Amino acid sequence: SYVLTQPPSVSVAPGKTARITCGGNNIGSKSVHWYQQKPGQAPVLVIYYDSDRPSGIPERFSGSNSGNTATLTISRVEAGDEADYYCQVWDSSSDGVFGGGTKLTVL
Amino acid sequence: QVQLVESGGGVVQPGGSLRLSCAASGFTFSSYGMHWVRQAPGKGLEWVAFIRYDGSNKYYADSVKGRFTISRDNSKNTLYLQMNSLRAEDTAVYYCAKDSGIAVAGYYFDYWGQGTLVTVSS
Repeated sequence: SYVLTQPPSVSVAPGKTARITCGGNNIGSKSVHWYQQKPGQAPVLVIYYDSDRPSGIPERFSGSNSGNTATLTISRVEAGDEADYYCQVWDSSSDGVFGGGTKLTVL
Repeated sequence: QVQLVESGGGVVQPGGSLRLSCAASGFTFSSYGMHWVRQAPGKGLEWVAFIRYDGSNKYYADSVKGRFTISRDNSKNTLYLQMNSLRAEDTAVYYCAKDSGIAVAGYYFDYWGQGTLVTVSS
Protein backbone atom coordinates (compact mmCIF):
# COMPACT_ATOMS: atom_id res chain seq x y z
CA SER A 1 0.00 0.00 0.00
CA TYR A 2 1.09 3.55 -0.67
CA VAL A 3 2.33 5.52 2.34
CA LEU A 4 2.53 9.29 2.84
CA THR A 5 4.84 10.58 5.57
CA GLN A 6 4.42 13.98 7.23
CA PRO A 7 6.29 15.48 10.19
CA PRO A 8 4.05 15.40 13.28
CA SER A 9 4.63 19.05 14.05
CA VAL A 10 6.03 22.27 12.62
CA SER A 11 6.48 25.51 14.55
CA VAL A 12 6.88 28.96 13.07
CA ALA A 13 6.86 32.55 14.28
CA PRO A 14 4.21 34.94 13.01
CA GLY A 15 5.18 36.58 9.73
CA LYS A 16 7.63 33.83 8.84
CA THR A 17 7.31 31.02 6.31
CA ALA A 18 6.12 27.52 7.22
CA ARG A 19 6.93 24.52 5.08
CA ILE A 20 5.13 21.22 5.61
CA THR A 21 6.46 18.22 3.74
CA CYS A 22 4.72 15.08 2.51
CA GLY A 23 6.95 12.20 1.51
CA GLY A 24 6.01 9.29 -0.70
CA ASN A 25 7.63 6.98 -3.21
CA ASN A 26 7.82 8.93 -6.48
CA ILE A 27 5.09 11.24 -5.23
CA GLY A 28 6.07 13.67 -7.97
CA SER A 29 4.23 11.43 -10.42
CA LYS A 30 0.98 11.84 -8.49
CA SER A 31 -1.38 14.73 -7.86
CA VAL A 32 -1.17 15.95 -4.26
CA HIS A 33 -3.92 17.76 -2.41
CA TRP A 34 -3.74 19.54 0.95
CA TYR A 35 -6.35 20.11 3.65
CA GLN A 36 -6.43 22.36 6.69
CA GLN A 37 -8.35 21.24 9.77
CA LYS A 38 -8.91 23.44 12.80
CA PRO A 39 -10.02 21.93 16.13
CA GLY A 40 -13.62 20.77 16.10
CA GLN A 41 -14.09 21.61 12.43
CA ALA A 42 -14.26 19.70 9.18
CA PRO A 43 -11.23 19.77 6.87
CA VAL A 44 -10.97 22.47 4.24
CA LEU A 45 -9.22 22.08 0.89
CA VAL A 46 -6.35 24.57 0.60
CA ILE A 47 -4.31 23.22 -2.35
CA TYR A 48 -5.27 20.83 -5.14
CA TYR A 49 -3.33 19.34 -8.04
CA ASP A 50 -0.03 20.09 -6.31
CA SER A 51 -0.20 23.88 -6.49
CA ASP A 52 -3.67 25.19 -7.35
CA ARG A 53 -5.64 27.23 -4.81
CA PRO A 54 -9.42 27.04 -4.44
CA SER A 55 -11.24 30.35 -4.48
CA GLY A 56 -11.15 31.99 -1.07
CA ILE A 57 -7.79 30.53 -0.05
CA PRO A 58 -5.17 33.26 0.46
CA GLU A 59 -2.24 33.53 -1.95
CA ARG A 60 0.00 32.94 1.07
CA PHE A 61 -0.74 29.23 0.59
CA SER A 62 1.24 27.51 -2.14
CA GLY A 63 2.33 24.01 -3.03
CA SER A 64 4.98 22.13 -4.96
CA ASN A 65 5.65 18.50 -5.79
CA SER A 66 8.74 16.80 -7.17
CA GLY A 67 10.63 13.56 -6.74
CA ASN A 68 9.72 11.96 -3.44
CA THR A 69 8.47 15.07 -1.64
CA ALA A 70 5.51 17.41 -1.89
CA THR A 71 5.55 20.65 0.09
CA LEU A 72 2.88 22.99 1.38
CA THR A 73 4.28 26.47 1.94
CA ILE A 74 2.51 29.11 4.02
CA SER A 75 4.05 32.57 3.73
CA ARG A 76 3.64 35.39 6.22
CA VAL A 77 2.10 32.99 8.73
CA GLU A 78 -0.74 34.30 10.87
CA ALA A 79 -2.14 33.06 14.16
CA GLY A 80 -5.25 31.92 12.30
CA ASP A 81 -3.17 29.45 10.26
CA GLU A 82 -2.63 27.31 13.34
CA ALA A 83 -4.22 23.96 12.45
CA ASP A 84 -3.57 20.39 11.38
CA TYR A 85 -2.59 19.95 7.74
CA TYR A 86 -3.02 16.75 5.74
CA CYS A 87 -1.69 15.77 2.33
CA GLN A 88 -3.66 13.34 0.16
CA VAL A 89 -3.21 11.41 -3.06
CA TRP A 90 -5.21 8.86 -5.00
CA ASP A 91 -3.25 5.71 -5.68
CA SER A 92 -4.23 3.04 -8.18
CA SER A 93 -3.71 0.24 -5.65
CA SER A 94 -4.48 1.96 -2.35
CA ASP A 95 -7.21 4.35 -3.54
CA GLY A 96 -7.56 7.29 -1.13
CA VAL A 97 -4.44 7.91 0.95
CA PHE A 98 -3.82 10.60 3.58
CA GLY A 99 -0.64 11.54 5.29
CA GLY A 100 -0.61 11.29 9.07
CA GLY A 101 -1.07 15.02 9.48
CA THR A 102 1.13 17.89 10.68
CA LYS A 103 0.21 20.17 13.54
CA LEU A 104 1.25 23.72 12.71
CA THR A 105 1.97 25.82 15.78
CA VAL A 106 2.32 29.58 15.49
CA LEU A 107 4.71 30.70 18.23
CA GLN B 1 -23.77 27.14 -1.69
CA VAL B 2 -22.75 23.52 -1.29
CA GLN B 3 -24.12 21.87 1.85
CA LEU B 4 -23.50 18.37 3.11
CA VAL B 5 -25.30 17.28 6.26
CA GLU B 6 -24.55 13.90 7.81
CA SER B 7 -26.85 12.05 10.17
CA GLY B 8 -27.32 8.62 11.68
CA GLY B 9 -24.38 8.44 14.04
CA GLY B 10 -24.66 7.13 17.57
CA VAL B 11 -23.57 4.45 19.98
CA VAL B 12 -23.68 0.85 18.82
CA GLN B 13 -22.43 -2.40 20.30
CA PRO B 14 -19.59 -4.37 18.68
CA GLY B 15 -21.00 -6.54 15.92
CA GLY B 16 -23.91 -4.17 15.39
CA SER B 17 -25.01 -2.15 12.39
CA LEU B 18 -25.64 1.49 11.60
CA ARG B 19 -26.61 3.44 8.49
CA LEU B 20 -25.28 6.92 7.93
CA SER B 21 -26.91 9.43 5.60
CA CYS B 22 -25.57 12.57 3.95
CA ALA B 23 -28.07 15.07 2.55
CA ALA B 24 -26.59 17.17 -0.23
CA SER B 25 -27.70 20.52 -1.59
CA GLY B 26 -26.35 23.47 -3.55
CA PHE B 27 -24.96 21.45 -6.46
CA THR B 28 -26.09 18.87 -9.00
CA PHE B 29 -25.67 15.82 -6.79
CA SER B 30 -26.24 13.34 -9.61
CA SER B 31 -23.18 14.65 -11.49
CA TYR B 32 -20.53 14.11 -8.81
CA GLY B 33 -18.86 11.20 -7.14
CA MET B 34 -19.01 11.15 -3.35
CA HIS B 35 -16.76 9.88 -0.58
CA TRP B 36 -16.87 8.92 3.07
CA VAL B 37 -13.83 9.83 5.17
CA ARG B 38 -13.47 9.10 8.88
CA GLN B 39 -11.38 10.36 11.77
CA ALA B 40 -10.89 8.40 14.97
CA PRO B 41 -10.72 10.51 18.15
CA GLY B 42 -7.42 12.38 18.25
CA LYS B 43 -6.21 10.69 15.07
CA GLY B 44 -5.75 11.56 11.41
CA LEU B 45 -8.03 11.31 8.41
CA GLU B 46 -8.80 7.95 6.81
CA TRP B 47 -10.54 7.56 3.46
CA VAL B 48 -13.33 4.98 3.69
CA ALA B 49 -15.27 4.68 0.44
CA PHE B 50 -16.12 6.27 -2.92
CA ILE B 51 -19.11 5.98 -5.21
CA ARG B 52 -19.24 7.19 -8.80
CA TYR B 53 -21.83 9.82 -9.74
CA ASP B 54 -24.16 7.20 -11.19
CA GLY B 55 -23.43 4.49 -8.61
CA SER B 56 -21.79 2.26 -11.19
CA ASN B 57 -18.43 2.00 -9.41
CA LYS B 58 -17.62 1.76 -5.72
CA TYR B 59 -14.26 1.56 -3.97
CA TYR B 60 -13.51 0.73 -0.35
CA ALA B 61 -10.61 0.93 2.05
CA ASP B 62 -9.27 -2.50 2.98
CA SER B 63 -10.20 -1.83 6.61
CA VAL B 64 -13.93 -1.76 5.79
CA LYS B 65 -14.18 -3.94 2.70
CA GLY B 66 -16.88 -6.59 3.07
CA ARG B 67 -18.45 -4.83 6.08
CA PHE B 68 -19.43 -1.37 4.77
CA THR B 69 -21.54 -0.52 1.72
CA ILE B 70 -21.70 2.89 0.09
CA SER B 71 -24.79 3.80 -1.92
CA ARG B 72 -26.69 6.82 -3.18
CA ASP B 73 -30.16 7.91 -4.16
CA ASN B 74 -29.85 10.65 -6.77
CA SER B 75 -33.61 11.30 -6.66
CA LYS B 76 -33.24 12.26 -2.99
CA ASN B 77 -29.79 13.90 -3.23
CA THR B 78 -28.61 11.58 -0.49
CA LEU B 79 -25.50 9.49 0.11
CA TYR B 80 -25.48 6.50 2.45
CA LEU B 81 -23.02 4.31 4.31
CA GLN B 82 -24.30 1.01 5.62
CA MET B 83 -21.96 -0.24 8.33
CA ASN B 84 -22.20 -3.84 9.49
CA SER B 85 -20.13 -5.99 11.85
CA LEU B 86 -18.90 -2.87 13.59
CA ARG B 87 -15.73 -2.98 15.66
CA ALA B 88 -14.29 -0.73 18.34
CA GLU B 89 -11.74 0.54 15.82
CA ASP B 90 -14.57 1.88 13.66
CA THR B 91 -15.24 4.53 16.32
CA ALA B 92 -14.77 7.85 14.54
CA VAL B 93 -16.34 10.98 13.16
CA TYR B 94 -17.59 10.12 9.69
CA TYR B 95 -17.53 12.85 7.07
CA CYS B 96 -19.16 12.80 3.68
CA ALA B 97 -17.17 14.69 1.08
CA LYS B 98 -17.92 15.77 -2.45
CA ASP B 99 -15.52 14.70 -5.18
CA SER B 100 -14.13 17.56 -7.24
CA GLY B 101 -14.78 16.16 -10.69
CA ILE B 102 -18.00 16.37 -12.64
CA ALA B 103 -18.81 12.94 -14.11
CA VAL B 104 -15.10 12.04 -14.16
CA ALA B 105 -13.71 11.82 -10.62
CA GLY B 106 -10.91 14.14 -9.57
CA TYR B 107 -10.31 12.00 -6.50
CA TYR B 108 -9.98 14.85 -4.06
CA PHE B 109 -12.49 16.43 -1.74
CA ASP B 110 -13.59 19.99 -2.39
CA TYR B 111 -16.46 20.16 0.13
CA TRP B 112 -16.99 18.36 3.43
CA GLY B 113 -19.88 17.93 5.80
CA GLN B 114 -19.54 18.60 9.54
CA GLY B 115 -19.44 14.91 10.35
CA THR B 116 -21.39 12.48 12.51
CA LEU B 117 -19.88 10.56 15.42
CA VAL B 118 -20.08 6.78 15.53
CA THR B 119 -19.10 5.10 18.79
CA VAL B 120 -18.75 1.34 18.92
CA SER B 121 -18.78 0.22 22.52
CA SER B 122 -20.40 -2.29 24.79
